[in-house]
Parts: sequence; C-alpha cells; structure tokens
Amino acid sequence: DGGITQSPKYLFRKEGQNVTLSCEQNLNHDAMYWYRQDPGQGLRLIYYSQIVNDFQKGDIAEGYSVSREKKESFPLTVTSAQKNPTAFYLCASSTGQGEAYGYTFGSGTRLTVV
Amino acid sequence: GNSVTQMEGPVTLSEEAFLTINCTYTATGYPSLFWYVQYPGEGLQLLLKATKADDKGSNKGFEATYRKETTSFHLEKGSVQVSDSAVYFCAKHTGGFKTIFGAGTRLFVKA
Repeated sequence: DGGITQSPKYLFRKEGQNVTLSCEQNLNHDAMYWYRQDPGQGLRLIYYSQIVNDFQKGDIAEGYSVSREKKESFPLTVTSAQKNPTAFYLCASSTGQGEAYGYTFGSGTRLTVV
Repeated sequence: GNSVTQMEGPVTLSEEAFLTINCTYTATGYPSLFWYVQYPGEGLQLLLKATKADDKGSNKGFEATYRKETTSFHLEKGSVQVSDSAVYFCAKHTGGFKTIFGAGTRLFVKA
C-alpha cells in the first residue's frame, strides 16, 4: 500500500545537537511538506518542496533545513539554532498543489529536547 | 487575514448524539475546503472535502457543505460513536502550495 513513512516515531535531542527526521513516500507525489504541531494548536508550515531539488520556506523555517534529492524523500534537519524544538512534526505529500485531493500525512515524529 | 476559525473544544458528547463542529474561513478567491481527523499519537487523515460552492463532502457518516454565502464548512454527524473521539481540523487550500489549518477541535464521546 502507498503511504508516507516517518521515522523515528520518538526522538530525543540534547541541547546544541542537530537531528534529522526522515520522511519517505511511495505515492509518486511531486509535492512534500513539513509541518510542526504544538499542543492545542494547529499546524504551522516549516518547508515545502514542489519538485526534486527545489524547496521553499514556510511560515516558521528559522532553525530548520531540508533537502529534496529524490522524489520519494524529504528529510528535515532541526538545527541547534531552533531554540524551542520540542514538538510533533508531521510530513505530508500531495498530488498537484493539494487543491483537489488534499494531503496525505505520515504518522509523525515526536521530538523532545532533553 | 487568511484564516480558518473553528469552534473551541473540547466537545463532549454521549454516544449516538448529534455532532456539529463549526468552521468558518476568510473568503479569498475560491478555496477548496477539507476536514481532517487526528487520532491520538497519529498524523492527520483526510476525512472529507469539497472543492466548490454548494458541494457536500461526506465520509464515514460525516458531512460538510461548502457554503460560500456564509463562508462556512461545518462538520456534522447524526450519531457519534466512542471511536469518533479525536481532534478534527478544518482546512482551506488557498492556492499555490499552501493550506491553512484551523486550530483543531477535540471531540470526546462517552459510552
């Protein structure tokens, strides 16, 4: 079955460390997205990518970086510059811009700073 | 502004009660509208959608009608079950690669 796989499910980061969250999809979707979710809040867009080797900043890109070297993969790095990284991170993908069929989401990675 | 506003939760209902979760949006162009559901510890799943005015989206007993005149997309279900307990997000696609999500409404259904 097609879908999006995020790993790991839980991740712990020490102060000053960079960590990378994995996102892989086998839906043949061109567009991929990273969202951050904080308790009791909606989703905020970090980065998105329309096609391979191209990505754009979302609303809260500071302290994060991404790459899109393959269509299937869109990893997110949370750098030490991100001062409050504890959150639930969601990866999504869409066919086209998502206007017709919405987004398919992964099951998320919960990142905690220790 | 460009926003989606949902009723605040939590919403607590008894099993078999009628559910309404209100959602309104700012009218910028002709957005597509969506409802997503999130179960504990999981990602969001698309529940239903409507892409133009007066369309009704439906799935698993849930329905929502795209009301352009009131800029609303309220979610309804005639008889909720305990398994419907989750957080529900209203969203609109604003064009380009951008979807605006509401803050979510948590639903608790008691047996």
